[in-house]
Amino acid sequence: DQQVKQNSPSLSVQEGRISILNCDYTNSMFDYFLWYKKYPAEGPTFLISISSIKDKNEDGRFTVFLNKSAKHLSLHIVPSQPGDSAVYFCAASALRSGGSNYKLTFGKGTLLTVNP
Amino acid sequence: GAGVSQSPSNKVTEKGKDVELRCDPISGHTALYWYRQSLGQGLEFLIYFQGNSAPDKSGLPSDRFSAERTGGSVSTLTIQRTQQEDSAVYLCASSLMFRSYEQYFGPGTRLTVT
Repeated sequence: DQQVKQNSPSLSVQEGRISILNCDYTNSMFDYFLWYKKYPAEGPTFLISISSIKDKNEDGRFTVFLNKSAKHLSLHIVPSQPGDSAVYFCAASALRSGGSNYKLTFGKGTLLTVNP
Repeated sequence: GAGVSQSPSNKVTEKGKDVELRCDPISGHTALYWYRQSLGQGLEFLIYFQGNSAPDKSGLPSDRFSAERTGGSVSTLTIQRTQQEDSAVYLCASSLMFRSYEQYFGPGTRLTVT
């Protein structure tokens, strides 16, 4: 039972264009969402996050949108750069809902390739 | 400052042998987490430490897996009688106690069981 789903295993975009990575979740207890970026042979690094009380969070070229009613979030990267090529993981936490608020539940990741 | 470090970076072992994986968290981070990433899968939660105690071991796949943490710092994940399905990248993360949503990951140990 996958609670966080990234249905696109890969995405290829041209440099300068927008990259949109999608993530869906099923657990209504999730109230905090994160995106991690992972290069080969390295651990995931935190990129951006959003609380369920917001619907948008922006940090430079990266924006995360949250649609709670659809249980869907997306990460927009604009403009995309070749250095953005990596695996992007969506993760969720039940931060204020009680229970296992320390546990991150991850999707399987999307490999983004930005072509020069 | 120094990030989370893990050793070894790669480990190849024969089926049935025991292995120990080590994690050095960021100094001052009282919370420590172990995750596993099997081929083509997302990161799977294994165990969580708060200080030296492990209030949640629910993610450990079997009783062949155990972990300990001493001095509120270094943690060791031990897999006994390794099986081929244990082959994966084992990732350790740490965080400040009440900031579990900001987990910092190490580079991982790639375990291959032949």
